[in-house]
Amino acid sequence: GDSVTQMEGPVTLSEEAFLTINCTYTATGYPSLFWYVQYPGEGLQLLLKATKADDKGSNKGFEATYRKETTSFHLEKGSVQVSDSAVYFCALRNGGGAGNMLTFGGGTRLMVKP
Amino acid sequence: NAGVTQTPKFRVLKTGQSMTLLCAQDMNHEYMYWYRQDPGMGLRLIHYSVGEGTTAKGEVPDGYNVSRLKKQNFLLGLESAAPSQTSVYFCASRAGQVYDSNQPQHFGDGTRLSIL
Repeated sequence: GDSVTQMEGPVTLSEEAFLTINCTYTATGYPSLFWYVQYPGEGLQLLLKATKADDKGSNKGFEATYRKETTSFHLEKGSVQVSDSAVYFCALRNGGGAGNMLTFGGGTRLMVKP
Repeated sequence: NAGVTQTPKFRVLKTGQSMTLLCAQDMNHEYMYWYRQDPGMGLRLIHYSVGEGTTAKGEVPDGYNVSRLKKQNFLLGLESAAPSQTSVYFCASRAGQVYDSNQPQHFGDGTRLSIL
């Protein structure tokens, strides 16, 4: 079945540092890929998405490129802020099957220190 | 903007007790989902619904039941709670496929459930 693997956290960075959170996937066909962010005490929010190979999703300074050749969708940000501290989830949706279900990775906690 | 609302936010149960978690959405979404979130395991789908009156099993349905009697509500029931069901439960909804197959899921803020 489909699966998503993320780097384990926590990731601890200083403010203005460069961020990379790795995400790789296993899926048949051509899935859509997503990054969700979960701030403390809240539900998940969509951060960005890419629906086909070589697409780049971007939002709030975060970027991720859909690399089919390496089955990856790594999340990057050039300069993190304390307010970026959260848990980040990589997810995929494969096809339009019943319910359009998402498959999530285990999540990566990011802690940004002033 | 209410979006997806979950009640209650916190609950402590004793083993064997029953309870129902309520999810309500005001976006007229067709699809609704119940997930559980456990440390290091991401979100796992318990049950989902593709429309009023329909439900289907997800990845981890055992020990749970659901109902979708009204389009805006999706109830998750635990008939006989077990400590293994201690978790954070999230409800989500999204527009149906007829609109856009890449519409995102909208999540509630979660229900933290502890079973003693």
